[in-house]
Amino acid sequence: NSKVIQTPRYLVKGQGQKAKMRCIPEKGHPVVFWYQQNKNNEFKFLINFQNQEVLQQIDMTEKRFSAECPSNSPCSLEIQSSEAGDSALYLCASSPGQNEQYFGPGTRLTVL
Amino acid sequence: TQTVSQSDAHVTVFEGDSVELRCNYSYGGSIYLSWYIQHHGRGLQFLLKYYSGNPVVQGVNGFEAEFSKSDSSFHLRKASVHWSDSAVYFCAVSAFSSGSWQLIFGSGTQLTVMP
Repeated sequence: NSKVIQTPRYLVKGQGQKAKMRCIPEKGHPVVFWYQQNKNNEFKFLINFQNQEVLQQIDMTEKRFSAECPSNSPCSLEIQSSEAGDSALYLCASSPGQNEQYFGPGTRLTVL
Repeated sequence: TQTVSQSDAHVTVFEGDSVELRCNYSYGGSIYLSWYIQHHGRGLQFLLKYYSGNPVVQGVNGFEAEFSKSDSSFHLRKASVHWSDSAVYFCAVSAFSSGSWQLIFGSGTQLTVMP
């Protein structure tokens, strides 16, 4: 079973508000991924890190999201100004390499 | 373009039945395939993976999957399902893009196990 921890489990924000979620990867896993899963079960890769460095991020993440994975602190993903379309389940995964990914329980964001 | 196709959106079986959930992929590079299970409202739980070697791989809770290069398939099977197996199952291929790996998921198959 995965040991990835995500908080909070549920997050409710108004449009334009900041929304921040956190992830503690499994110990010893240097690679961290963030995905967005919408209500239609479609997954969107957002960003990934190796140790503290960004490996890859999509355009949307560059513009409206900020993410970091500092050493000795939880990783975080923050939406600067929430939109209704951001309502989704945000999944964090960690990996010992880059292929095998273990997911946390997710943060369900609702933007009113 | 890498794609993963799960042709069955819903599968319903009775407890004790066998089940096969279908997955087909399209990817030109080295293949890394996996299956995940997602119970309602929860995160993804890793079931099993294939990278190389024996095309039949065993996973948790009695699940197994068989890789077929000729059919571009990675179907998931279980010989005798339990009601607790009711969940959404996702097939995924790990694809290398722009300097890093990321998972490409299928659309999921909702498995319902009737008592």
